[in-house]
Amino acid sequence: GESVGLHLPTLSVQEGDNSIINCAYSNSASDYFIWYKQESGKGPQFIIDIRSNMDKRQGQRVTVLLNKTVKHLSLQIAATQPGDSAVYFCAETDLNDMRFGAGTRLTVKP
Amino acid sequence: KAGVTQTPRYLIKTRGQQVTLSCSPISGHRSVSWYQQTPGQGLQFLFEYFSETQRNKGNFPGRFSGRQFSNSRSEMNVSTLELGDSALYLCASSLWQGGEQYFGPGTRLTVT
Repeated sequence: GESVGLHLPTLSVQEGDNSIINCAYSNSASDYFIWYKQESGKGPQFIIDIRSNMDKRQGQRVTVLLNKTVKHLSLQIAATQPGDSAVYFCAETDLNDMRFGAGTRLTVKP
Repeated sequence: KAGVTQTPRYLIKTRGQQVTLSCSPISGHRSVSWYQQTPGQGLQFLFEYFSETQRNKGNFPGRFSGRQFSNSRSEMNVSTLELGDSALYLCASSLWQGGEQYFGPGTRLTVT
């Protein structure tokens, strides 16, 4: 899984811009991937998921892209809003274990 | 529908003590998973329960244990607490094993 450090990567964007948050995973057997959003003082909140038989999935203002060749996952947020400010985690699972990325802190400037 | 609830929300214990944390899943959800979140290690999977049976277990020592009751409520127990056990303990429930998870607010445990 991800190596997890003390300092979260950060991404700062202007309100209205698009955001792209990236995640690399290590287990080629992982077949289910999830993005979570965690606001300060709260538990993670499900955003969108994708199974390994897909390479793209769209939700409301969010898109997840999966590149199994390079074991890379990305989350795209369209028209980012101040309420999107949070820490975003990717998670990978092969149904026996779930591994989380370190997270990326997204800050949206008004 | 009420969300996942965890009690207590905050807890302070001393080294060597033991602690029990409680999680009530969303009504109808039968799977409960526990996670530990620390600044240094991030989110780490502890274990998952479904139909009162532990289905999966993460890489944690035997001091960490859990159980699930017939009403799907779950408890986790940590014995012989160490300073490094200080963390936010998150519980998540889902309809079935491997389903979309809904997280509770967590219990923040501080070991002194």
